[in-house]
Amino acid sequence: KAGVTQTPRYLIKTRGQQVTLSCSPISGHRSVSWYQQTPGQGLQFLFEYFSETQRNKGNFPGRFSGRQFSNSRSEMNVSTLELGDSALYLCASGSHQETQYFGPGTRLLVL
Amino acid sequence: AQTVTQSQPEMSVQEAETVTLSCTYDTSESDYYLFWYKQPPSRQMILVIRQEAYKQQNATENRFSVNFQKAAKSFSLKISDSQLGDAAMYFCAWGTGNQFYFGTGTSLTVIP
Repeated sequence: KAGVTQTPRYLIKTRGQQVTLSCSPISGHRSVSWYQQTPGQGLQFLFEYFSETQRNKGNFPGRFSGRQFSNSRSEMNVSTLELGDSALYLCASGSHQETQYFGPGTRLLVL
Repeated sequence: AQTVTQSQPEMSVQEAETVTLSCTYDTSESDYYLFWYKQPPSRQMILVIRQEAYKQQNATENRFSVNFQKAAKSFSLKISDSQLGDAAMYFCAWGTGNQFYFGTGTSLTVIP
């Protein structure tokens, strides 16, 4: 099976812009989670989707949003970008709710 | 608080030697899973080993094994016969179906 894929892999934006990141889970996986990874904070949980429903949300401002489509693909949107949003954004998919498999990440740089 | 603590930000080990990475966690859940993930520099995060909290037997995957102490909420990773390819950031995590909590990682250096 193909692994978790994320697009784009790299992105450069300026403050105030918005960005959309995409994640395609492993075939058959219905759960998709998003994390923000920064050197100082480690992995911070953003949200988790299962069958198009957001089941859980981390402690991030409303500028961070997501959705999941009927084919389990997920998108994450960040509006009004700030310099502090520069990070590696990781997507992870899971099947039986006990293991997450990570994609390569999207590295976002906000200038 | 649902937290994971990795008290060793950096560790080093001689090639072919054994190293143990520490992890403690806090949860009020009774049914959960524990994980160690490895993230090589600029590469993808991959699962190293997984432990079901209801199992007393410690998980083992080739050179990787864990010491799981449920009452103490401790979940350490032992790497035997360390290899150069083991150099990476290692993350400890626990989770249920809906959410996973990660530590801040331990950077492991393998010295030839």
